Amino acid sequence: QKEVEQNSGPLSVPEGAIASLNCTYSDRVSQSFFWYRQYSGKSPELIMSIYSNGDKEDGRFTAQLNKASQYVSLLIRDSQPSDSATYLCAVNSYFSGGYNKLIFGAGTRLAVHP
Amino acid sequence: GAGVSQSPRYKVTKRGQDVALRCDPISGHVSLYWYRQALGQGPEFLTYFNYEAQQDKSGLPNDRFSAERPEGSISTLTIQRTEQRDSAMYRCASTKTGGLAGGGVRLDNEQFFGPGTRLTVL
Repeated sequence: QKEVEQNSGPLSVPEGAIASLNCTYSDRVSQSFFWYRQYSGKSPELIMSIYSNGDKEDGRFTAQLNKASQYVSLLIRDSQPSDSATYLCAVNSYFSGGYNKLIFGAGTRLAVHP
Repeated sequence: GAGVSQSPRYKVTKRGQDVALRCDPISGHVSLYWYRQALGQGPEFLTYFNYEAQQDKSGLPNDRFSAERPEGSISTLTIQRTEQRDSAMYRCASTKTGGLAGGGVRLDNEQFFGPGTRLTVL
């Protein structure tokens, strides 16, 4: 079983719709959760971090964390073609000596069409 | 301010040669991470430095891979006797702090990535 799992996609949504990206993780005691956006040929760019159960909103982005279900999601409201990218879910490994040894999922490719 | 920089951006080498990849973290960032990213996959952890101390090298694939950060700033990842399977994007990331405080989660542990070095071994 992979430690961090994401649907590879592509997830295709029309412009203006809500895109919902999901991620599950296996390490029950993970503490930090991150969403990175990666455009083709570019480096990952941090867009959201979440540490507590519940929702965290930042502009058009909302991260949702449910530690009991070991599930983290990212919602993108009013999706724009410029949101088309691969979204990487990253989870810290608790048994890392107290630092952020991140385990990444393979990413979900999002395509927003006009 | 400047972000994380890496050099060279592209490196083509012949099998059996040694290569050195450089990472210059964000100024003042304490922690530095090396990752390797294959096409269509997320970054895979290689090694971690807190200041100049290499505190975790569990992700290095074998003893041909080594890394150093002698003055706690610039880091070099060295691959000896390169093999074709070493071809990948090598990414460096840095964070402001080096760990947790009081058992809690420090919000400045967020990692910022450099542009990467694309290594091709022929």
